[in-house]
Amino acid sequence: QVQLQQSGPGLVKPSQTLSLTCAISGDSVSSNTAAWNWIRQSPSRGLEWLGRTYYRAKWYNDFAPSVKSRITISPDTSKNQFSLQLNSVTPEDTAVYYCARDDGRSIGVFDYWGQGTLVTVSS
Amino acid sequence: QSALTQPASMSGSPGQSITISCTGTSSDVGGYNYVSWYQQHPGKAPELMIYDVNNRPSGVSNRFSGSKSGNTASLTISGLQTEDEADYYCSSYTSSSTLVVFGGGTKVTVL
Repeated sequence: QVQLQQSGPGLVKPSQTLSLTCAISGDSVSSNTAAWNWIRQSPSRGLEWLGRTYYRAKWYNDFAPSVKSRITISPDTSKNQFSLQLNSVTPEDTAVYYCARDDGRSIGVFDYWGQGTLVTVSS
Repeated sequence: QSALTQPASMSGSPGQSITISCTGTSSDVGGYNYVSWYQQHPGKAPELMIYDVNNRPSGVSNRFSGSKSGNTASLTISGLQTEDEADYYCSSYTSSSTLVVFGGGTKVTVL
């Protein structure tokens, strides 16, 4: 059974960096079939896919154009986890952030999700 | 403004069937058979109910079924039960660099 456990602060000041981590159990961040995603949800923007990291003989990343200039998603193979960093945040980045697995059976199919982290951007 | 259009709310009585629509374009829903549906209860993460238009993951009730015609995908819930009361979201692969787009969600109420 795959489990994703999120951690990170729930409050970030404007212009600072949002950082979250997703610890994986029951699968590997280095899987040759899965991809590891970050998705956020807010009342104003709904569900929004932010980006992913995945390993296919080497590491790849894909990012949504809306955050591409500000986002980093990094795998940590030693801890079997991956992280999200979103720079220069504004109140519009306030949302519940989820990590999610795409197991590779198709495209954009998220079969396991983290518990969600409400991140508020406020001074 | 979500990329895919869903009705904001729908309701039905226990035992009835309801069908939720999800309208996109030829760049997403209409162009590929990569439509998924998620169920979300309050305060919980979304749960995958349907993938690739009409496939159910292991463990999902066969009361949930999916279909697609042109640029519109649909989720049908048969034999409505009280536990089906939740928000439902569609998603689709898109040929844009966004990779995946979501609908705005449909709140299903079981009367």
